[in-house]
Amino acid sequence: KQEVTQIPAALSVPEGENLVLNCSFTDSAIYNLQWFRQDPGKGLTSLLLIQSSQREQTSGRLNASLDKSSGRSTLYIAASQPGDSATYLCAVTANAGGTSYGKLTFGQGTILTVHP
Amino acid sequence: DAGVIQSPRHEVTEMGQEVTLRCKPISGHDYLFWYRQTMMRGLELLIYFNNNVPIDDSGMPEDRFSAKMPNASFSTLKIQPSEPRDSAVYFCASSSRGNGYTFGSGTRLTVV
Repeated sequence: KQEVTQIPAALSVPEGENLVLNCSFTDSAIYNLQWFRQDPGKGLTSLLLIQSSQREQTSGRLNASLDKSSGRSTLYIAASQPGDSATYLCAVTANAGGTSYGKLTFGQGTILTVHP
Repeated sequence: DAGVIQSPRHEVTEMGQEVTLRCKPISGHDYLFWYRQTMMRGLELLIYFNNNVPIDDSGMPEDRFSAKMPNASFSTLKIQPSEPRDSAVYFCASSSRGNGYTFGSGTRLTVV
């Protein structure tokens, strides 16, 4: 059974800092990995999608890396801003194989607070 | 595209009543998922469909829960009878193979 762990559970940093959020998964047979952001009381917003054949993806100040063999992904946020405060969720999709594709397993999330 | 559309946004109902949550996936997506989020358990997959066919419903907690997808543009999640422990935020998401998932804004269910 796939398990996804995110470290740290919570992080508080001053504005302007570069920071790294960590995600690990127990079964390396994944199809892709996705990072989401969730604001309080809101839905999930997709940030970055990394296919299993890729090593990293970038979008603006965000960079996500994937090391499938070691079961790890990191989300790097450059020059953090108060508006980045949210819960960040990592999720992996089971490997393709008939009907096994589709199950998205989430970590518990990292609660990020960026203070001015 | 308007994204994944869920209704209602909020639902407050009394214990024992039937609750129906609705979802319209993104056009062209052939996978549809129902998730439940609580503080204690985080995000849990309840059931997912591929081409309108239920593929895995192992996450459905009890027989009180049922889900249907009569066509590619509509799905429902029904709880009958509802109980206070069903209170949670229910998310619908859709995807196509190889692409990421898009989530709806969720339905916040409160059973009193």
